[in-house]
Amino acid sequence: KAGVTQTPRYLIKTRGQQVTLSCSPISGHRSVSWYQQTPGQGLQFLFEYFSETQRNKGNFPGRFSGRQFSNSRSEMNVSTLELGDSALYLCASSPNHGQLDGYTFGSGTRLTVV
Amino acid sequence: KNEVEQSPQNLTAQEGEFITINCSYSVGISALHWLQQHPGGGIVSLFMLSSGKKKHGRLIATINIQEKHSSLHITASHPRDSAVYICAGRISNIGNEKLTFGTGTRLTIIP
Repeated sequence: KAGVTQTPRYLIKTRGQQVTLSCSPISGHRSVSWYQQTPGQGLQFLFEYFSETQRNKGNFPGRFSGRQFSNSRSEMNVSTLELGDSALYLCASSPNHGQLDGYTFGSGTRLTVV
Repeated sequence: KNEVEQSPQNLTAQEGEFITINCSYSVGISALHWLQQHPGGGIVSLFMLSSGKKKHGRLIATINIQEKHSSLHITASHPRDSAVYICAGRISNIGNEKLTFGTGTRLTIIP
C-alpha cells in the first residue's frame, strides 16, 4: 500500500511569503502529526490532527497552522516566513490518535527561506 | 537543559559490536519512543515503551521509569545500522500532549 506522501519535496520561498505543505496519510490512517527538523534545534513537534481536529500542539508561534480534511489529508501553513523557518518538515500518520507506535513518516518537505 | 537528553552524541563501532544508546528525561512521560533516521531524512519508528523491555530482531529497548532512563541496544551491529537514533518522550501538560525529542545519536558501524 502507498506510504505517507508529502508534497512538494523541495521548496524555496522568500522571507515574508507564506507556504502550504501537504501530507497524504496512509489509507485508513486518521491521525496526522507534523514535525520540524533543523540542524540547530533537532526534531520538534508542531501539532497533531485527528478527525479534522487539532488534538495536540507544540511550542510554535501562531504563524504555524494546520488543518485536516475529511479524507484525513493534512496541510500545514506557515505565514510571514522567516529565515529560521528553513527546515525539513516531516509528517507522520497513524491509525489512531496518540499512538506513535504504528506511525509512518513521510520523506519530508525541505523548505529553504531566502 | 533539555527535558530529554541522549548520549553519546556520536558513536563509531566495528561491525559485530554490541551497541548501547542512552536516553534520560527529567519530567514525567506517558511513553518513550525510539526512532531511526537514515541519511536522506527518512524516519522509522522503532519502539514505543511505557515500561519494561521490547525486542525486535537485533534491537532491544528498555526503560526504567523510576530512574527516568531508557536504553536502545543493538546486538551484532551491521553497517546498515548506521543511522541517527532519536528518543522522544511523550509529555502531558494540561490536556495537551506533546513529543519532546532528544538531539539524536549518530551511529556509524565500520565493516
